[in-house]
Amino acid sequence: GAVVSQHPSWVICKSGTSVKIECRSLDFQATTMFWYRQFPKQSLMLMATSNEGSKATYEQGVEKDKFLINHASLTLSTLTVTSAHPEDSSFYICSVRERQPTTRAFFGQGTRLTVV
Amino acid sequence: AQSVTQLGSHVSVSEGALVLLRCNYSSSVPPYLFWYVQYPNQGLQLLLKYTSAATLVKGINGFEAEFKKSETSFHLTKPSAHMSDAAEYFCAVSKNNQGGKLIFGQGTELSVKP
Repeated sequence: GAVVSQHPSWVICKSGTSVKIECRSLDFQATTMFWYRQFPKQSLMLMATSNEGSKATYEQGVEKDKFLINHASLTLSTLTVTSAHPEDSSFYICSVRERQPTTRAFFGQGTRLTVV
Repeated sequence: AQSVTQLGSHVSVSEGALVLLRCNYSSSVPPYLFWYVQYPNQGLQLLLKYTSAATLVKGINGFEAEFKKSETSFHLTKPSAHMSDAAEYFCAVSKNNQGGKLIFGQGTELSVKP
């Protein structure tokens, strides 16, 4: 069964609104979660690293005020796309890493965001 | 800095034919290398990973990959393609074997013809 649950799997929103995407670790506690973005026909690009109980670390070029990440518990991280624009339309995928000692990484099923 | 290059954005093979998906990496530190498969509108599934234990790595669904340091390559192969192998395949590199913070290649779409 799924180890990581991402919700919603797809969402359409109007330009200027905000959208929240949830990433849940179902089978284990995750101290670290990663958020990736994938544009059509392109590869996944790491957006940010989410650490439980602390601020997320954003990759260069990713606006932290636009992509709000909250990792409030060991099983949930959320990504909120604020004031969405059509160019934010993309496939967003979270990755969850187990705690020690195995530290394996698992991916969610992704969220297709379309901003109209 | 680390980077990954996948040669060929699209590969088409006949069912039963050999599958070869190419991946070359660049890394200033000993790399950890991964192959992931992505089915349409789904997340990524780990096929296999190289963590310096053995240069020939066997993964799920009959896939395997060989790490060649001299060629900085980590090509993915499968002796006989199946229709269900049609998907997008991503090669990725990491500084550790945990597979968390990954740098991905641009992906290769594999089509399998009957």
